[in-house]
Amino acid sequence: GQNIDQPTEMTATEGAIVQINCTYQTSGFNGLFWYQQHAGEAPTFLSYNVLDGLEEKGRFSSFLSRSKGYSYLLLKELQMKDSASYLCAVRDNENRDDKIIFGKGTRLHILP
Amino acid sequence: ETGVTQSPTHLIKTRGQQVTLRCSSQSGHNTVSWYQQALGQGPQFIFQYYREEENGRGNFPPRFSGLQFPNYSSELNVNALELDDSALYLCASSPWRGGHTEAFFGQGTRLTVV
Repeated sequence: GQNIDQPTEMTATEGAIVQINCTYQTSGFNGLFWYQQHAGEAPTFLSYNVLDGLEEKGRFSSFLSRSKGYSYLLLKELQMKDSASYLCAVRDNENRDDKIIFGKGTRLHILP
Repeated sequence: ETGVTQSPTHLIKTRGQQVTLRCSSQSGHNTVSWYQQALGQGPQFIFQYYREEENGRGNFPPRFSGLQFPNYSSELNVNALELDDSALYLCASSPWRGGHTEAFFGQGTRLTVV
């Protein structure tokens, strides 16, 4: 089976840095995604990792350790518009089925 | 704008009824996935279609079924609606099955079952 864990809520201050962790258990791991979802809107793609290491894209970076089943999303220079839910998702190819499994999301609150 | 469109945007149905939700994938995308998202939860994978065939399914009962058409648009059908089926239903398309590709989401259909 599959299991994805991430904190339910986090709070950070405008201009600061925040790290959102995600741990996962899956049999057919084939990549990890991070999505951002504002209230009432569809998820939007932030990053994709399939190899170990850090991927940097502007203010956002994502890290993956496949041996530890662990990823984090790092957000720098936080802005008020970064207040949203952040979804960790794993692509699973077990039994040649292809699916993307989402965690429950981390609601990030940014304080001025 | 992702190029993925869903219809309708909102829908109210009565318990026991049937519903069909529609999704037009982004041009050039041949893979469509459907998700159910309850309030405050992450999207739950329902199933995925690749070139008109189902090639992945989550833990949803058979009353959740789907179709993908030759133009890669898709439908989600839910029979015998239950109150717990009330949720946001999201459709996502991607250029090909598997691989290092992101999924582009539509705005969703908000289904309320009363």
